[in-house]
Amino acid sequence: DGGITQSPKYLFRKEGQNVTLSCEQNLNHDAMYWYRQDPGQGLRLIYYSQIVNDFQKGDIAEGYSVSREKKESFPLTVTSAQKNPTAFYLCASSIKSGTEYEQYFGPGTRLTVT
Amino acid sequence: AQSVTQLDSQVPVFEEAPVELRCNYSSSVSVYLFWYVQYPNQGLQLLLKYLSGSTLVESINGFEAEFNKSQTSFHLRKPSVHISDTAEYFCAVSEDGNKLVFGAGTILRVKS
Repeated sequence: DGGITQSPKYLFRKEGQNVTLSCEQNLNHDAMYWYRQDPGQGLRLIYYSQIVNDFQKGDIAEGYSVSREKKESFPLTVTSAQKNPTAFYLCASSIKSGTEYEQYFGPGTRLTVT
Repeated sequence: AQSVTQLDSQVPVFEEAPVELRCNYSSSVSVYLFWYVQYPNQGLQLLLKYLSGSTLVESINGFEAEFNKSQTSFHLRKPSVHISDTAEYFCAVSEDGNKLVFGAGTILRVKS
């Protein structure tokens, strides 16, 4: 089955630790995205990548880092510099061009930092 | 800059009643518009989208949305809701077909 996998579904960390969230897709999509979701605020874009080895900051990139070494993988690291890391994190992917403008979302990872 | 306003944070409605979830956007250029649905603790699923052409778009499960350029709106409607429609609904806009800007979401609560 084609799709996006995010692991783990729930993640717990102590304050001051970096943590990496996994995102893998087998849809052969060029573009991948990371969003953060907080109650009542919708989704906010953290980082996105339109091609391997290239990525751009979104609206709330501070305290986060990403890499895009392979087309199918786009891991997100939440660093200790992120002041409020507890949130639901969603990864998405889309075809870069053409008439398809739909973003496909993974199931999400809920990160709790205490 | 683009922005999306979903005018209602929660909409309670009885089963089989009609519902409208409101969405207004602001943008200085032509846009693509989307409605996504999210069930608890899950990712988002595309409900319907407007790219061009007919201003009325429909989903396979009875939802429809109408693009109104003059009012910069893309309201979502369903003539008769089911308990299973209970979820959070997000309106989103994109100017380039890549970056999406989301509204804050509307929780639809269908009561029996």
